[in-house]
Amino acid sequence: DTAVSQTPKYLVTQMGNDKSIKCEQNLGHDTMYWYKQDSKKFLKIMFSYNNKELIINETVPNRFSPKSPDKAHLNLHINSLELGDSAVYFCASSPMLQETQYFGPGTRLLVL
Amino acid sequence: QKEVEQNSGPLSVPEGAIASLNCTYSDRGSQSFFWYRQYSGKSPELIMFIYSNGDKEDGRFTAQLNKASQYVSLLIRDSQPSDSATYLCAVRGSGYSTLTFGKGTMLLVSP
Repeated sequence: DTAVSQTPKYLVTQMGNDKSIKCEQNLGHDTMYWYKQDSKKFLKIMFSYNNKELIINETVPNRFSPKSPDKAHLNLHINSLELGDSAVYFCASSPMLQETQYFGPGTRLLVL
Repeated sequence: QKEVEQNSGPLSVPEGAIASLNCTYSDRGSQSFFWYRQYSGKSPELIMFIYSNGDKEDGRFTAQLNKASQYVSLLIRDSQPSDSATYLCAVRGSGYSTLTFGKGTMLLVSP
């Protein structure tokens, strides 16, 4: 009965590769988010989708492309991975944009 | 640029004491304020939210908001070693905006 789930939990890859992270929520929420938490634990919003539509796109390199096939899923594809992409990526969801957010367990990405 | 400032700590308190965590924010139009707790290696989990000036209590936790001073705090009464974690303050600005997080304060509660 996991509320917000992410796969994979860990991802180790080489520079230059392309990888995807998947997120699913079974809470019936309309809004989903991707956050990046760097090594200094700073949590920063990357994207937000509301009912499958992109509504927030912070200053993120265009190597990062989110996709929402339906309102329960928000995936993140990263092209040409760089060392600086190493971080923990959290997916979150909320009933609507202005409401409380619930976080997934995180995906720990390490780029070598 | 919206900013949320927290002292990174660590804040060390003995078991049973009151822990006081503070947060200031730059956007005067901010509407709602959240405290999340994050254990090492885990995801943030919501502790409390507050929208109005004053205090809001939930069990051992009290959130305090002072919009004039642009200040929000979290008090943890009867601190337990299991409260040891990083506490993240998050602020939502006015209008159609998302959350801005502070860098978090690490709390250590010693037995």
